Amino acid sequence: DGGITQSPKYLFRKEGQNVTLSCEQNLNHDAMYWYRQDPGQGLRLIYYSQIVNDFQKGDIAEGYSVSREKKESFPLTVTSAQKNPTAFYLCASSSLQGESGLETQYFGPGTRLLVL
Amino acid sequence: AQKVTQAQTEISVVEKEDVTLDCVYETRDTTYYLFWYKQPPSGELVFLIRRNSFDEQNEISGRYSWNFQKSTSSFNFTITASQVVDSAVYFCALIRGSTLGRLYFGRGTQLTVWP
Repeated sequence: DGGITQSPKYLFRKEGQNVTLSCEQNLNHDAMYWYRQDPGQGLRLIYYSQIVNDFQKGDIAEGYSVSREKKESFPLTVTSAQKNPTAFYLCASSSLQGESGLETQYFGPGTRLLVL
Repeated sequence: AQKVTQAQTEISVVEKEDVTLDCVYETRDTTYYLFWYKQPPSGELVFLIRRNSFDEQNEISGRYSWNFQKSTSSFNFTITASQVVDSAVYFCALIRGSTLGRLYFGRGTQLTVWP
C-alpha cells in the first residue's frame, strides 16, 4: 500500500538529548514537510523540502534540523536547543505535478514526543 | 500576511443534526488554495477537499458540502445528518499560489457528535 509512515509512534527525550523522528513515503512525491502541533493549536511548519538535498526553513525551524538524502525519506532531528519539544509531530508529502504545480499534502500518522 | 480563522473552538451536536463549521481566511494573493482536513482521535490528518480561488462552485460529497464565498472570504463546511464517526477535529487551511507547500492552518474545530 502507498502511504506515509512515521516512527516511532511515541518518543521520550531526556534533557540535553537529540532525538530523530523518521518519515518515509512510497508515494513518489517530490515534496515533504514537517509540522508541529500543540494542544488546541493548528499545525505549524518546521521545515520543508521540494527536492532531494534541498530544504527550507518554515515558521518555527529553531532547534530542529532535517536532511533529504533520498526522495523517500525526510528525517527530523529535535536538538537540545529546542527548549519546549513536547508536541505532536506530523510529516506530510505532496507531488509537485498537477494543474498548478501544487498538489494536496497527505499526512502520516504522527509521532508524539515527550520530554522526561 | 496569511491567516485562517476558525472561530468555533468546540461544537457538540446530537446524531442526525446538521452542523456547519466556519472558516474565514485572509490573503492578499489573487491565487490561493483552500483545504479542509479531518483529524480523528488517532491523530492522522485526513484530506477532505481542496478549492482554488478561481472556482467558487460549491461542492457536495455525500453528507459533506462546502460553501466557498470570496466576497466574505469564507470557506464553510457542512455535515448533513451527522454521525458519531464524524467526531473529530476539523482544520481549515490555506496555501498561497506563489509559495509552494506553505500550508497555513486554522486552530481547528473540535466536533463531538453524541448518539
